[in-house]
Amino acid sequence: EAHLEESGGGLVKPGESLRLSCAASGFTFSSYTMNWVRQAPGKGLEWVSSIGSSSSHVSYADSVKGRFSISRDNTKNFLFLQVNNLTADDTGVYYCTRVGNSSSWYDLYFESWGQGTLVTVSS
Amino acid sequence: SYELTQPPSVSVSPGQTATITCSGDALPKKYAYWYQQKSGQAPVLVIYEDTKRPSDIPERFSGSGSGTMATLTITGAQVDDEADYYCYSTDISGRQRVFGGGTKLTVL
Repeated sequence: EAHLEESGGGLVKPGESLRLSCAASGFTFSSYTMNWVRQAPGKGLEWVSSIGSSSSHVSYADSVKGRFSISRDNTKNFLFLQVNNLTADDTGVYYCTRVGNSSSWYDLYFESWGQGTLVTVSS
Repeated sequence: SYELTQPPSVSVSPGQTATITCSGDALPKKYAYWYQQKSGQAPVLVIYEDTKRPSDIPERFSGSGSGTMATLTITGAQVDDEADYYCYSTDISGRQRVFGGGTKLTVL
């Protein structure tokens, strides 16, 4: 069974940066596309970014393009999200997710979820 | 940008059937997925590829699709099913990955 554990969240000021991490276990990490999904307090879910199994494909939501960077380390089974130039609108819980087995790059979905890490942007 | 539309809330009594809809222009060509999120917890996949149910999800959860609408049905809803439910899909290109706004299900 897939296990995903996020870390790296915290309280930061507008304009600052963070690096979120996700430790993966229980599956062959290097075979799966991985993603970040976030949720602002009291709001709905928002897809943030995806990275293919070999890092050859990456994509971002328009709301974070140019500020966020997704990466992975298949030797250590870690997923990362570098978040720069943070604003209050970036406040929320960030979930690390693994795609389902039947996913393809243009038809992917999120099968396994971590418990999330909270990012709070406030002056 | 692509949007999926859900009703904000649905309310049923225990044992009744709850129906949650999700509309989107690309749904005739793209699968819909459904997630359950209980208060303070991470989302859980309850339906994938319109109608399939993960092995650990109770049989009372089912999904269907017709044209531009996908539907999540909970037959014989239980108090434990109270949660927010989100549909998810992509636009026709597969590049926009979108969640619906969520539906709060109340069972009481």
